[in-house]
Amino acid sequence: KNEVEQSPQNLTAQEGEFITINCSYSVGISALHWLQQHPGGGIVSLFMLSSGKKKHGRLIATINIQEKHSSLHITASHPRDSAVYICAVKGETSGSRLTFGEGTQLTVNP
Amino acid sequence: DTEVTQTPKHLVMGMTNKKSLKCEQHMGHRAMYWYKQKAKKPPELMFVYSYEKLSINESVPSRFSPECPNSSLLNLHLHALQPEDSALYLCASSQAWGGYNEQFFGPGTRLTVL
Repeated sequence: KNEVEQSPQNLTAQEGEFITINCSYSVGISALHWLQQHPGGGIVSLFMLSSGKKKHGRLIATINIQEKHSSLHITASHPRDSAVYICAVKGETSGSRLTFGEGTQLTVNP
Repeated sequence: DTEVTQTPKHLVMGMTNKKSLKCEQHMGHRAMYWYKQKAKKPPELMFVYSYEKLSINESVPSRFSPECPNSSLLNLHLHALQPEDSALYLCASSQAWGGYNEQFFGPGTRLTVL
């Protein structure tokens, strides 16, 4: 079992839909990252959080430390949101080493 | 300046060539990273430099040779690579190693080894 599990692996939505991507982890962490990667492109850091909730534009990230679970929500999805979304955790004793999930491929159709 | 830049964007090289990848940041970050990413897989950590000293080498073959000439610059020297080394090579930086420090990633260099 991977230390970081994401679901779903693939997600197809219609433009305007509300999207949720989930991340569960099995280790104690100091922080959790949500990252975005467009095809053939570099990685953009969307959020780093260790508790509660963060919001940036149409993106919302939440984390429940007790349940070892985080969600990334996209409101009013748009085709330009189509990308791979990666959850990565920084373990409590691993310095800045990140453990990555396998990613969620999101496709938003017009 | 809040970005990590990488050059070149694309690189094609033969197995006998020597080439270098370059990464630069001007955010005053003291930790810099090299990752390798194969298609449809998450990034794999290769090297970490902290205060210009190599602090982590994830058992990377010696045909990959990192160098950190100063706090803003990170190079990856490539020699005698194999076709299976073809991948996206990502550089990242953070304020420091450890602590609540966010990693900022560059756009990557797409490497093809013929």
